[in-house]
Amino acid sequence: DAKTTQPNSMESNEEEPVHLPCNHSTISGTDYIHWYRQLPSQGPEYVIHGLTSNVNNRMASLAIAEDRKSSTLILHRATLRDAAVYYCILYNTNAGKSTFGDGTTLTVKP
Amino acid sequence: KAGVTQTPRYLIKTRGQQVTLSCSPISGHRSVSWYQQTPGQGLQFLFEYFSETQRNKGNFPGRFSGRQFSNSRSEMNVSTLELGDSALYLCASSLDGQPYNEQFFGPGTRLTVL
Repeated sequence: DAKTTQPNSMESNEEEPVHLPCNHSTISGTDYIHWYRQLPSQGPEYVIHGLTSNVNNRMASLAIAEDRKSSTLILHRATLRDAAVYYCILYNTNAGKSTFGDGTTLTVKP
Repeated sequence: KAGVTQTPRYLIKTRGQQVTLSCSPISGHRSVSWYQQTPGQGLQFLFEYFSETQRNKGNFPGRFSGRQFSNSRSEMNVSTLELGDSALYLCASSLDGQPYNEQFFGPGTRLTVL
C-alpha cells in the first residue's frame, strides 16, 4: 500500500492561513488523496479530496503537485475550531481501502 | 439526515471474551468500513462491506470479523479478546465505497479489554 508522510505537528495563529503538507511519493495512478480531521473524542471528519487537479470547497483548498507525489491542505483563515489532527489518506480505486498516515496535530493560537 | 451511529459507545470486556459492535450508516449509503484506532498504531483499516459482501480486508487476524445486513447496517465481532484489542473502533459509511466519494465517520466505540 502507498503510504503518506506528514509532519507530526504544526502551529498557526488565528485568522492566518495554514498550509499542511503531505508526501506520498509511492502514490499510484488510481489513488485519490483525501483529507480528514479529527477532534478529541470524535470520529474523523471529511475535509476535502482530489485526484489530479486542485480542489476547493467551503472548508479548505487542496493543492496537488503536478507529479502527485505531494499535496498541501490549505486552511485560508484558521480558527480555534480548526485545531485538530489532520490526516492525509490515499484511497485506492482498485483495492478500495484507505491507508491513513500518522496525521499532523494542528495547534491554533489566539 | 442522521449521521453514522455506533453502539455501544463504551464497552469493557475481559481477556478471552468476545464482543460485537454495531454500526448504522447514513440512510442510502451502502458501503461500511471499519477501522481500529490506537495510540501506538494510529488508524488502521479493518474491512469494508458493500451490499452484504466483504469487499476489502486489512491486515488483521481472523479473530476480527464482520458482516453487513440487507439494510446496510453492519456489525463487527472480535473473538478471544486480547489486551491489545483495547482501542477506539470507528465505522465509516460511504455512498458506494468508491474513492471519489467521501466517508462519514461515526463517533466510535471505545473498547477496553481487562
